[in-house]
Amino acid sequence: KAGVTQTPRYLIKTRGQQVTLSCSPISGHRSVSWYQQTPGQGLQFLFEYFSETQRNKGNFPGRFSGRQFSNSRSEMNVSTLELGDSALYLCASSGTGENTEAFFGQGTRLTVV
Amino acid sequence: GQSLEQPSEVTAVEGAIVQINCTYQTSGFYGLSWYQQHDGGAPTFLSYNALDGLEETGRFSSFLSRSDSYGYLLLQELQMKDSASYFCALRGGGFKTIFGAGTRLFVKA
Repeated sequence: KAGVTQTPRYLIKTRGQQVTLSCSPISGHRSVSWYQQTPGQGLQFLFEYFSETQRNKGNFPGRFSGRQFSNSRSEMNVSTLELGDSALYLCASSGTGENTEAFFGQGTRLTVV
Repeated sequence: GQSLEQPSEVTAVEGAIVQINCTYQTSGFYGLSWYQQHDGGAPTFLSYNALDGLEETGRFSSFLSRSDSYGYLLLQELQMKDSASYFCALRGGGFKTIFGAGTRLFVKA
């Protein structure tokens, strides 16, 4: 079956602009999580959605938001971009249960100039 | 809150055994996972420990001790292709998975 698909793969934006990233999970997966990855910082948890509801949120400013649609596809939005938002944004989908593995997409590389 | 610590870098020789440690602080969690990420690639799942003890999957083994708040990933018969970053991750309450900063493994010939 198809894996997790993230679009676009690469993006260059200017400070102050906003951006929307998309994630299509594996078919049948209802949980989608978003992470920000920067060198040396590992994967920082942004938020997790399940059945269109945000179940948890990481320690990021309100400029970072997300949503999930009825088909489980998810989007994250970053408004008023800052240079420090430059990072790889990863989306992961998983099935139900507390011990299911997360399947990651290839990520969206965002560069803010 | 939850936090995990792991070494930033480890270097080992091809054919050797290497252990990557992970210590954590948390008030409660379901289990400890390990992920591998090659440069430019997505993290991929390696193993999961819900209970204390050793889990073996081929050349990779993972261990968890809840009483010591400690786990490790053991890689045997190292190959050049094992050069990658390795992340430990806590699957905690609130449907939140927290990752460590990652350990960069360099395998030398």
